[in-house]
Amino acid sequence: GQNIDQPTEMTATEGAIVQINCTYQTSGFNGLFWYQQHAGEAPTFLSYNVLDGLEEKGRFSSFLSRSKGYSYLLLKELQMKDSASYLCAVRDITSGTYKYIFGTGTRLKVLA
Amino acid sequence: DAGITQSPRYKITETGRQVTLMCHQTWSHSYMFWYRQDLGHGLRLIYYSAAADITDKGEVPDGYVVSRSKTENFPLTLESATRSQTSVYFCASSEGSGGPHEQYFGPGTRLTVT
Repeated sequence: GQNIDQPTEMTATEGAIVQINCTYQTSGFNGLFWYQQHAGEAPTFLSYNVLDGLEEKGRFSSFLSRSKGYSYLLLKELQMKDSASYLCAVRDITSGTYKYIFGTGTRLKVLA
Repeated sequence: DAGITQSPRYKITETGRQVTLMCHQTWSHSYMFWYRQDLGHGLRLIYYSAAADITDKGEVPDGYVVSRSKTENFPLTLESATRSQTSVYFCASSEGSGGPHEQYFGPGTRLTVT
């Protein structure tokens, strides 16, 4: 089966760096995605990893280790607008078609 | 307008009634998905479709029916609504191949079953 774990809540201070971890178990791994979701809104795409290593995109970076079933999202120079939920999702190809399985999300609070 | 839309945005219905949630995308994406989002559970996959006339069950399909006769539409029907189906429903679409093709989400439908 599939299982994705991430912390429920995190708190950080404006201007700081925060790392949100995600561990997963799946038999048909085909990529890992991070999404941001502000309260009352739809998720929006942040980053994608399929090979091991770090992908950097401005203030956001995402890391993947396929052998460990582990990813993290790194947010630098935190801003108040970064207060949101961050969703880790794995794309799975076990059934021969692509499906995306999401973790329960990490709610990040950025304090002034 | 280009994009992915859902209707209605808000719906209140009674237990036992049939309800259909609509989803429409203009990108001709081959894949479409339905999720429900509840506190403490995150996004859970209900059904997905790899192409017109091809649908598959997700994690929580019981009580739901889907169809996909056209690429751009993917309606979700609750055959006999129950209170446990009170939730926010998101539709999403993505391109068919692997690679860095993320999902695009609609704005969501907030459904309340009384």
